[in-house]
Amino acid sequence: DARVTQTPRHKVTEMGQEVTMRCQPILGHNTVFWYRQTMMQGLELLAYFRNRAPLDDSGMPKDRFSAEMPDATLATLKIQPSEPRDSAVYFCASVTQREGYTGELFFGEGSRLTVL
Amino acid sequence: AQSVAQPEDQVNVAEGNPLTVKCTYSVSGNPYLFWYVQYPNRGLQFLLKYITGDNLVKGSYGFEAEFNKSQTSFHLKKPSALVSDSALYFCAVYNYQLIWGAGTKLIIKP
Repeated sequence: DARVTQTPRHKVTEMGQEVTMRCQPILGHNTVFWYRQTMMQGLELLAYFRNRAPLDDSGMPKDRFSAEMPDATLATLKIQPSEPRDSAVYFCASVTQREGYTGELFFGEGSRLTVL
Repeated sequence: AQSVAQPEDQVNVAEGNPLTVKCTYSVSGNPYLFWYVQYPNRGLQFLLKYITGDNLVKGSYGFEAEFNKSQTSFHLKKPSALVSDSALYFCAVYNYQLIWGAGTKLIIKP
């Protein structure tokens, strides 16, 4: 049963600490998204990659957030330094997507981050 | 600007009654249309999609959605609601980029 795997599921950290979230997309999917979900803002797109290349990271605060895909089986989202306002659930999703076509997204279970 | 609207933050329905969760969009061309569901403390799950063809699309868990091109709507429906349908529902539209609605909380009361 193919699924998107995210780690950690829960993370509590103190302000100023570095946080790294990881995502293993479904094998064969060429596009990976990072979303953030909060009660106030809803679902926000942070960044996405196609064929491991970053296509859009305009939703990310550039000074503290970074996203990478070191290989096709791993996507990372890093926050350094973390702040209390970063507290949210971070979702990774993968899909097969090409110009003018997309399949349905498969979401991971999310990483719930609490920054104290 | 392209957008997706889910006009109701919350919809309350009695168990056994039909339910409708509304979605309208403002997107050029012929977009793909999706519904996703999110149960508490879980990721979003795909419910159904419309690409082309029959305006009534059937999906998972007995849900269906009706595409109306003239009204640019894609409302989610179910003939008889279950308490277990209580969740957060998202409408999304794809036209070279994926645009999400804000979500509608569906509460089914016993």
